[in-house]
Amino acid sequence: DQQVKQNSPSLSVQEGRISILNCDYTNSMFDYFLWYKKYPAEGPTFLISISSIKDKNEDGRFTVFLNKSAKHLSLHIVPSQPGDSAVYFCAASEGRSQGNLIFGKGTKLSVKP
Amino acid sequence: DVKVTQSSRYLVKRTGEKVFLECVQDMDHENMFWYRQDPGLGLRLIYFSYDVKMKEKGDIPEGYSVSREKKERFSLILESASTNQTSMYLCASSLWTGGKGYTFGSGTRLTVV
Repeated sequence: DQQVKQNSPSLSVQEGRISILNCDYTNSMFDYFLWYKKYPAEGPTFLISISSIKDKNEDGRFTVFLNKSAKHLSLHIVPSQPGDSAVYFCAASEGRSQGNLIFGKGTKLSVKP
Repeated sequence: DVKVTQSSRYLVKRTGEKVFLECVQDMDHENMFWYRQDPGLGLRLIYFSYDVKMKEKGDIPEGYSVSREKKERFSLILESASTNQTSMYLCASSLWTGGKGYTFGSGTRLTVV
């Protein structure tokens, strides 16, 4: 049973517009969440994270929002650029300092010029 | 920055061969992981290790084994390669208290013919 779900396998967005990638989780013990970005033929790289004590974390064009009551998080990219085209994985863990990361299946983002 | 190095970017092996995938990290991380990535299935954990000579099964360990004789090196072994093991294999490492989660290698694209 999937504990971390990314229900949209793909997303297409026009350059300059906002990209919103969604992630839902079922385990209420998760309290640390991360987003990774993966280009073809490369390993995933860390993008941004959020602890459950926050509801928002921002890093440049990337913002992650956490809604604990809905067990939902989202990654906003504003403005989207063609170089953002990649697969984005949501991941969660029980505590920043323990446990394995549980990954979603990923969402392929295509940003069109 | 932590570096995780996978010995081969591309491998082609025959059915029934024993295959070794090597992974080395250079930052004294306790934890190391092996994943495979397949379209539509995301990242699936094969095996992981929290310490030297220690290993734990992940979600899909069948047909695989691992070895961790030194802290910096984690090897994945396909005992008798089969065509359904054709995949992208990703190694990762992390500190127990890593805020950025995992650092991934660049991946090995294995094709079994």
